[in-house]
Amino acid sequence: EPEVTQTPSHQVTQMGQEVILRCVPISNHLYFYWYRQILGQKVEFLVSFYNNEISEKSEIFDDQFSVERPDGSNFTLKIRSTKLEDSAMYFCASRGQLMNTEAFFGQGTRLTVV
Amino acid sequence: ELKVEQNPLFLSMQEGKNYTIYCNYSTTSDRLYWYRQDPGKSLESLFVLLSNGAVKQEGRLMASLDTKARLSTLHITAAVHDLSATYFCAVSSYNTDKLIFGTGTRLQVFP
Repeated sequence: EPEVTQTPSHQVTQMGQEVILRCVPISNHLYFYWYRQILGQKVEFLVSFYNNEISEKSEIFDDQFSVERPDGSNFTLKIRSTKLEDSAMYFCASRGQLMNTEAFFGQGTRLTVV
Repeated sequence: ELKVEQNPLFLSMQEGKNYTIYCNYSTTSDRLYWYRQDPGKSLESLFVLLSNGAVKQEGRLMASLDTKARLSTLHITAAVHDLSATYFCAVSSYNTDKLIFGTGTRLQVFP
C-alpha cells in the first residue's frame, strides 16, 4: 500500500541551527501539506502546497519556514533558525486530485531543539 | 475562523461498554474526517464524512455527521483494549483544504 514517508524520524538540533525535514508523498498525489503537533497538543496546519507553490499558510508559518519540492518526489520543510518552541512532531501529508479524498499522513519527524 | 472542539478530552472506559465522542465545529464545513493516533505514531484515517446524515461504520466504530447542528459523533460499541488511542476529528471548510483539528480525545479501554 502506498504511503507517505518522512526522514529523519527524529532530529535533535541546537537552537539557531537550520533543519530540513524531508518527505516523499504518495506518488500520484498533487497536494502536499505540513502539520505540526507539539507534545500532548492538537495537530496544527502549517502550509499547503500545490502546483509548485504555496496555496495556503498559517500564522505559524513565518519567514523562518520555507517549503520546496526540489524534484519530482521530495517535499521538504526548512526551518532557518530553530527556536526552542519549534520542538514538535512534524507531519507531512499528501492528497490526490479529488477534493473529497482524505489526506494521508507520514509517520512524522520528531524535532527536538536544545 | 473555523474552530473545532471535541469532548470529552479524556475517556477511560471498561471493555464491553459503549460510548460516544463528540465533535463540534463553528462554521459551515463540507468535509469532516476522523483520525486515530497511537502514542508517538502518525495519524491513521478512519472515516471521511461528506454530507448531512452521512453514517459510516468500521468494526466497533461508527461515525455520523449532522451538518445542520455542526456536529459529528464517533460511537464506540463494545470497546476492546485495542481501541485505546487518541481520536481526532478534523474539518475543512469551503474554498480551503487545510484541516482544522479538534483537541483530540484520549481513549483508554481497561479490562
